[in-house]
Amino acid sequence: NFMLTQPHSVSESPGKTVTISCTGSSGSIASKYVQWFQQRPGSAPTTVIYEDNQRPSGVPDRFSGSIDSSSNSASLTISGLKTEDEAEYYCQSYDSTHQGVFGGGTKLTVL
Amino acid sequence: EVQLVESGGGLVQPGGSLRLSCAASGFTFSSYSMNWVRQAPGKGLEWVSYISSSSSTKYYADSVKGRFTISRDNAKNSLYLQMNSLRDEDTAVYYCAKLELLPIWGQGTMVTVSS
Repeated sequence: NFMLTQPHSVSESPGKTVTISCTGSSGSIASKYVQWFQQRPGSAPTTVIYEDNQRPSGVPDRFSGSIDSSSNSASLTISGLKTEDEAEYYCQSYDSTHQGVFGGGTKLTVL
Repeated sequence: EVQLVESGGGLVQPGGSLRLSCAASGFTFSSYSMNWVRQAPGKGLEWVSYISSSSSTKYYADSVKGRFTISRDNAKNSLYLQMNSLRDEDTAVYYCAKLELLPIWGQGTMVTVSS
């Protein structure tokens, strides 16, 4: 079964840049779009990146997404970190039968 | 305003049934595939089920296959999840989500399976 692997947690200081990786277990991660969702405690997920690197309106351009075929991974990069960016981040894509797959989530701490 | 609103959650005994609903507004519901995603307490997101825009294609996670049924009514802009033979491990917040193109999430509805 296709899986997406994320680091359990990352931490960085305000104003710095952090990158969260999402590695596909098989096949080519570039063959299906990757989405990134932000979830704060007690709230529903919200979309920060869709279709690999697109930002919904209202999401600051400090958030960016990319794909690296050589490592079969997607990345979410957040620059100019703010304390309000502290949250759980999930990547999502599809397996070969178009069934949804989520990464395990990465807890971002801004300290 | 683009919106998804779930309803129908609650407390149910193991082996029982529940039907979740999701009302869509602010976008052309009939043009998009839809999904149910759940999140057990303190856990990550788990994809549950997918239905194509015309209902011709449906997929289920192995954990719910044979027990859950996804459906939609495009005339009513509504998505449904019929959950039968519920187990303790089905306890979770259930989200309705449009994951295609620009993803949209509902606020979720809590399902608790307990005796």
